[in-house]
Amino acid sequence: GNSVTQMEGPVTLSEEAFLTINCTYTATGYPSLFWYVQYPGEGLQLLLKATKADDKGSNKGFEATYRKETTSFHLEKGSVQVSDSAVYFCALSAPGGYQKVTFGIGTKLQVIP
Amino acid sequence: GAVVSQHPSRVICKSGTSVKIECRSLDFQATTMFWYRQFPKKSLMLMATSNEGSKATYEQGVEKDKFLINHASLTLSTLTVTSAHPEDSSFYICSAQDGNDQPQHFGDGTRLSIL
Repeated sequence: GNSVTQMEGPVTLSEEAFLTINCTYTATGYPSLFWYVQYPGEGLQLLLKATKADDKGSNKGFEATYRKETTSFHLEKGSVQVSDSAVYFCALSAPGGYQKVTFGIGTKLQVIP
Repeated sequence: GAVVSQHPSRVICKSGTSVKIECRSLDFQATTMFWYRQFPKKSLMLMATSNEGSKATYEQGVEKDKFLINHASLTLSTLTVTSAHPEDSSFYICSAQDGNDQPQHFGDGTRLSIL
């Protein structure tokens, strides 16, 4: 079946540091890939997505590229801020839809001033 | 943006009690709602998918008689944990979408603690 593997964290960075959160997946065919973010005390929000190989999703300074050859969708940001502190979930779903989303374990990011 | 309200945010109750959790879409019609469970240091696990006016589809290993799901309207789904026991303690999250080609919008979750 489908699965998503991401680093557990927590990841602690200083403000303005470079962020990478690794995500790899196992799935048949070409799933859609997502990063969701959960800020403290809030629900999950869709951060970015990519639906086909080599697509780059981007939002709020975050980027992730759909790499079919390495089955990866690593999340990056060039300069993190304290307000980016949250839990980040990598996820996938069957092509063409948002049904049956499979989530990774979630990576907690803490950015310190 | 699309808002999903989940209530209550936290419940503490005695073993044997039945607990109802509500999930409402506030500004859109949710043709499909999903219920997830999250164990500590684990990913979100899909429990069931419900479409308005029809029976929920449960994932393998989820007891449908234990976790009763009702999706009576396009804006409300409820999850009832029947005769809850300590092993049912967990974080439950709902999501809703308006069409299969639309992203899921998540509630803030319910922390259930059974003593």
